[in-house]
Amino acid sequence: DTGVSQNPRHKITKRGQNVTFRCDPISEHNRLYWYRQTLGQGPEFLTYFQNEAQLEKSRLLSDRFSAERPKGSFSTLEIQRTEQGDSAMYLCASSLFYPRGVGNEQFFGPGTRLTVL
Amino acid sequence: GQNIDQPTEMTATEGAIVQINCTYQTSGFNGLFWYQQHAGEAPTFLSYNVLDGLEEKGRFSSFLSRSKGYSYLLLKELQMKDSASYLCAVRSSGGYNKLIFGAGTRLAVHP
Repeated sequence: DTGVSQNPRHKITKRGQNVTFRCDPISEHNRLYWYRQTLGQGPEFLTYFQNEAQLEKSRLLSDRFSAERPKGSFSTLEIQRTEQGDSAMYLCASSLFYPRGVGNEQFFGPGTRLTVL
Repeated sequence: GQNIDQPTEMTATEGAIVQINCTYQTSGFNGLFWYQQHAGEAPTFLSYNVLDGLEEKGRFSSFLSRSKGYSYLLLKELQMKDSASYLCAVRSSGGYNKLIFGAGTRLAVHP
């Protein structure tokens, strides 16, 4: 399977616990994005990497959230001291950027559904 | 500010044609994407417009008017499997390809 993969697919945790999600992008893709989606809404941008560099972070990403992409391949998203409002689907997407690229469309992974009790 | 508007829900009959509209007001524009999302699944790419006009891909077509901040997705010969949410997304300018999504239009196709 050459698509974007995410683990785990589901995570249930108690308020105050830390959680970490992993995303493996399509292998040749140099850009990786994290989004959050709640029921009935479109995905909201959280952060973005080009190779290993984190180039943009949304104001939605509080200090409790941190993301890494250490070798420019897989990425992790950690949420510390989870709150019930963090319950959502966390989506990862990747794209191949090249100059004068026509679409550079983003390909999404299946997501990690987080439930904070 | 950033604002993308789509109808919340639409219904249509199998075999018919449906048009899903999207209007946007964003601080930058570098293309508009349509994604399909079945319940509980990831969004999948349908179409991309960066210049004005119509792009056709099989049963799906997408139109863009940049001066009006308007796009539509046209689905022909509807099938039951087309029941899904359709997400309109604008790519921001500045080279980072960040997508700003609308809330999505939930389409129900009936026999």
